[in-house]
Amino acid sequence: DTAVSQTPKYLVTQMGNDKSIKCEQNLGHDTMYWYKQDSKKFLKIMFSYNNKELIINETVPNRFSPKSPDKAHLNLHINSLELGDSAVYFCASSLGRHEQFFGPGTRLTVL
Amino acid sequence: SQELEQSPQSLIVQEGKNLTINCTSSKTLYGLYWYKQKYGEGLIFLMMLQKGGEEKSHEKITAKLDEKKQQSSLHITASQPSHAGIYLCGADLTAAGNKLTFGGGTRVLVKP
Repeated sequence: DTAVSQTPKYLVTQMGNDKSIKCEQNLGHDTMYWYKQDSKKFLKIMFSYNNKELIINETVPNRFSPKSPDKAHLNLHINSLELGDSAVYFCASSLGRHEQFFGPGTRLTVL
Repeated sequence: SQELEQSPQSLIVQEGKNLTINCTSSKTLYGLYWYKQKYGEGLIFLMMLQKGGEEKSHEKITAKLDEKKQQSSLHITASQPSHAGIYLCGADLTAAGNKLTFGGGTRVLVKP
């Protein structure tokens, strides 16, 4: 009965590789988000999708491409991974402007 | 400087003592959300405040939003070890909404 789930939980990869993180919510929410939390625990929004349409893109490099196949899923694909991409990535969802519910996070380590 | 400032950055309290965390912005807080994050885990939603002067409580946690809607506080009464974690405030800083800006977090440690 998980509300917002992410896979994988941990991802360790080499620089230059391409990887994807998947997110699914079963709350019936219409808006989904990707956040990045750096090593200092600072959480910053990357993307926001409403009804499968991109509504927020916070100056994230083009190497990051979100894809929303339906309202319940928002995946994040990252090309040509760099050391600075190492962080914890959180997916979240909400119903309009109501509170956002977060997934457990994906810890990405780029070697 | 960050758009949303949290203080203190970290806090160590003796079990049973009260603690307060502050969240301040120079902009209007259209919606203010408090979350708790346990080390290595996701964020757990605690409370949402929208109206100036609003106050909400759940168990031993009380959150307030000032009348000007630029400052919020989170108060924990008679802290317990289970209250340990990182507390984050997030806010809608635009009327359009759907974009949370987060403070830097406050690490709380409760000593038994």
